[in-house]
This record gives sequence, C-alpha cells and structure tokens, in this order.
Amino acid sequence: EADIYQTPRYLVIGTGKKITLECSQTMGHDKMYWYQQDPGMELHLIHYSYGVNSTEKGDLSSESTVSRIRTEHFPLTLESARPSHTSQYLCASSDFYTDTQYFGPGTRLTVL
Amino acid sequence: DAKTTQPPSMDCAEGRAANLPCNHSTISGNEYVYWYRQIHSQGPQYIIHGLKNNETNEMASLIITEDRKSSTLILPHATLRDTAVYYCIVRVPNQAGTALIFGKGTTLSVSS
Repeated sequence: EADIYQTPRYLVIGTGKKITLECSQTMGHDKMYWYQQDPGMELHLIHYSYGVNSTEKGDLSSESTVSRIRTEHFPLTLESARPSHTSQYLCASSDFYTDTQYFGPGTRLTVL
Repeated sequence: DAKTTQPPSMDCAEGRAANLPCNHSTISGNEYVYWYRQIHSQGPQYIIHGLKNNETNEMASLIITEDRKSSTLILPHATLRDTAVYYCIVRVPNQAGTALIFGKGTTLSVSS
C-alpha cells in the first residue's frame, strides 16, 4: 500500500468559506497531483507539481490554488467555496522511474 | 497520449479468470500501457504496467500483443472485491506537462 494521506475525508461547509484540503506522502516522490471527480464521472487533473516551488494547472480549469513548499506536502485551497465546488478531490504522487501514480483515499467536499 | 478503447462493462463469476481487453491502435513506440482500477469512488489503485513484454505481479497479468495495438489485463481468480472500474492508459513515462488521462474504463462486476 502507498503512503499517501488526505484530510479531511469528508467536509460539509457553507458557501463563501475558505477551505484547505491536505495531502501528504511519505514516499519522497517529487511529483504530486490533484484530480477532481464528480460521482460516476471521469477523473480530471486540476493541478500538478514536479517538485518544491513547482505548480502547474491541469487539464480541467479550477478556481482552487495549490502550493508546494515541502516535498511531502501538497495542499489545495479554495478561497471562497461555492456549491459548484462540490466534488471528490483525489491527491496522487508518482515515482520518477516508473511514473506509477499512487492515490490517496480522497476528500469528498460538499458546499451548501 | 494515445487513445484507448475499452468495453463499458463486463461480468465475471467469482473464482474464474477475468480478461479485460483494451485497444490502443495508435500507440507509439515509447508509450507504456498502464492499468489502474477504482473501487466505488475510492482513490484509483495501480495494478500493473508494461512496454512490450508480458508482465505479471501479485495482482494480475498483462498481455500485450506483438504489434502492441491491444492488451489484456487478466485477473486469474476474480473475487467479489475485484468489482471495480478498470482503466487502461497509455503514456510516455515522465513526459513533461502530461498526466494520466482516465477515460470511462470498464466496469467489472464479479458475482458469486
């Protein structure tokens, strides 16, 4: 099993609140990713990082932002949550040599 | 990344082998074939990957045709816990600016 953790697992929050979804990995991977997945739908990449101080936007436009100050930590922030942000957010990290991605358990976000 | 085609759904009896096909007729010479699965909205789980030789690990076997235009994931003795959506992805490892593209996958239903 991969050592990648996400907190919280579930979050219900009101519109306009600022939230931060945490993601940490203990495998020393340089690459980390955030995906968004609506129920029954495909995963879409929203952010990725190739190392400390590196962040890029993914294929799906997102109002969220990310930071990568430490190798093991890749938090995602929504400055002002809206109901349209309701979704599952999945964090992953990858091994450089095989490019195999390991996923966390996900955070299911509901914005009322 | 090359496009893949998978059947939307398959059924398998518990204890039997599950053979999941994937077509990737436009695959290029340096693209690998990766398989992941996602069990009921959990984070996707890496299964296996390969370039051109057949591969086997503790979870599954991957058979790639000689022309590399298709592959088959084999779960030798399917259990109820193998019920999941299985994704076939082809990509060049560590290619800058890219990440996994999850299509719709194959929903495998294992029944007793």
